Amino acid sequence: AQSVTQLGSHVSVSEGALVLLRCNYSSSVPPYLFWYVQYPNQGLQLLLKYTTGATLVKGINGFEAEFKKSETSFHLTKPSAHMSDAAEYFCAVSNTGANSKLTFGKGITLSVRP
Amino acid sequence: EPEVTQTPSHQVTQMGQEVILRCVPISNHLYFYWYRQILGQKVEFLVSFYNNEISEKSEIFDDQFSVERPDGSNFTLKIRSTKLEDSAMYFCASRPTSGGADTQYFGPGTRLTVL
Repeated sequence: AQSVTQLGSHVSVSEGALVLLRCNYSSSVPPYLFWYVQYPNQGLQLLLKYTTGATLVKGINGFEAEFKKSETSFHLTKPSAHMSDAAEYFCAVSNTGANSKLTFGKGITLSVRP
Repeated sequence: EPEVTQTPSHQVTQMGQEVILRCVPISNHLYFYWYRQILGQKVEFLVSFYNNEISEKSEIFDDQFSVERPDGSNFTLKIRSTKLEDSAMYFCASRPTSGGADTQYFGPGTRLTVL
């Protein structure tokens, strides 16, 4: 079975500061890893994903994440936070089979202070 | 850009009543999913659907739940006799092809409140 851990429920940063949202996963097979973002009253939008190849993946809006197999982590970062980054962020894992469902972490709310 | 749509955005119902949540997946997608998120908890997988049949379902997806693709465009989730604990945000998602690497595209969700 797969699982995702996102420690903490809320992160607050100042505008322009580094954003770091942590994600650790558990999987018995090589996983595919995803970060989704949810803005108020909207659906889940894919930020980025890791499937194979380069372990540092870049996504939309300046976000990136690095897959570290030895640490079973897939932390999300952004060098400089913007007010528009305030949202809820979900890390998710799936396996490589067809019909693969996503297993989500509980999500982290990011607040950005002026 | 194509998107997944869901209706209604908010549904309020009495315990024991039947509800149908509707989703229109992206038109050329082949795999469909329902997830739910109880307030303050994780987004949880309910069911996946392909080629007009259920591919996989979770323990949550018991006999009170059913899914259907009645007309080739809509994808519905029916809850036959709602319980208080069914109150949650329900998300529909679709994906164009098989394989876990493919992105699932989510709708905005339906907030179900059971009184």
